Amino acid sequence: EPEVTQTPSHQVTQMGQEVILRCVPISNHLYFYWYRQILGQKVEFLVSFYNNEISEKSEIFDDQFSVERPDGSNFTLKIRSTKLEDSAMYFCASSDGPGANEQFFGPGTRLTVL
Amino acid sequence: DAKTTQPPSMDCAEGRAANLPCNHSTISGNEYVYWYRQIHSQGPQYIIHGLKNNETNEMASLIITEDRKSSTLILPHATLRDTAVYYCIVRPDYGQNFVFGPGTRLSVLP
Repeated sequence: EPEVTQTPSHQVTQMGQEVILRCVPISNHLYFYWYRQILGQKVEFLVSFYNNEISEKSEIFDDQFSVERPDGSNFTLKIRSTKLEDSAMYFCASSDGPGANEQFFGPGTRLTVL
Repeated sequence: DAKTTQPPSMDCAEGRAANLPCNHSTISGNEYVYWYRQIHSQGPQYIIHGLKNNETNEMASLIITEDRKSSTLILPHATLRDTAVYYCIVRPDYGQNFVFGPGTRLSVLP
């Protein structure tokens, strides 16, 4: 069964450093998403991406965040200068259409900012 | 903010049906009811969705009241592997992202 994969599974970084979280969506999907979940809190939407453009973003997704599809398979989330409060589990998801009923989530990357 | 209300936790005996309620009294006519679950710290997993008719798939059944202000997710024969946080979400048919609330933590007990 096709699945979304994410690397690394755990990333530790120093405050102020840049990090790039990587995702490989399901191959025939065209819509991509990032969500995050701070430990013990709700899953929060960050951004959706289609046709090489951001289609929707939340207020969490400020100028420190960016997304990119650098090639035909990867989808990345970059945090330019990490803060302690960026520590969270970051989930990538993909779907085969806009407003698709099912978004397929990856296993997540745990980001720890020290 | 999420537009649904769910009990924070529930227990269910293994092999019995788990009935998870959800209130969505402000649901609009074009909004669907979705259920996802999150096992431990894994990514959320789609379970089922519906508009106004009851729905069933290999994982669960979804019962939506006639006025659509509440629904119930039914896991017919809960197993230990069904222990998870279950999220009830309402979203319009054109919506892109899902807004997750705190969900219901279901514990299936042996």
